[in-house]
Amino acid sequence: KAGVTQTPRYLIKTRGQQVTLSCSPISGHRSVSWYQQTPGQGLQFLFEYFSETQRNKGNFPGRFSGRQFSNSRSEMNVSTLELGDSALYLCASSPVAGTDTQYFGPGTRLTVL
Amino acid sequence: GIQVEQSPPDLILQEGANSTLRCNFSDSVNNLQWFHQNPWGQLINLFYIPSGTKQNGRLSATTVATERYSLLYISSSQTTDSGVYFCASGGGSNYKLTFGKGTLLTVNP
Repeated sequence: KAGVTQTPRYLIKTRGQQVTLSCSPISGHRSVSWYQQTPGQGLQFLFEYFSETQRNKGNFPGRFSGRQFSNSRSEMNVSTLELGDSALYLCASSPVAGTDTQYFGPGTRLTVL
Repeated sequence: GIQVEQSPPDLILQEGANSTLRCNFSDSVNNLQWFHQNPWGQLINLFYIPSGTKQNGRLSATTVATERYSLLYISSSQTTDSGVYFCASGGGSNYKLTFGKGTLLTVNP
């Protein structure tokens, strides 16, 4: 089976712009989670989706949003980018629940200038 | 929420040495996972181990849920074992993992 894929792998944006990141889970996996990794805050949970429903959201401002499609692919969007949004964004999939064994994608490295 | 603490924060070994990494968690969990993050940033799942002991080659892990800790053992370390090791825990139906700050392991030849 192919692993979790994320696109794009690298992205450079300027403050105030918006960005959309994509995640395709392992075939058959229905749960997709997103995490933000920064040197200062470490790995922090953003949100989890299952069957197109957001089941939990982390402590992030409303500028961070996401969605899941019927084929389980997921996107996350960050609007009005700030310098502090520079981070590695990781997507993980699991068969059913968001806390089963998690399989992570390679990540999208976002740089905000 | 759940708090996860890892120790030591940094560890430097010579190739061939053994090591033990520790993870303490603050509350009862039904999910404990260990990950290795490679230099390119990818998180590789090592163990899903909410309780008990598992082994995979030179790596093994033990979780004592009643005492709220987990240990990751690396034997006969190799330079390719270098990287950051994270433990993450989650509980109940909140569908999220809480990560520790990681242990940075450096294995020198």
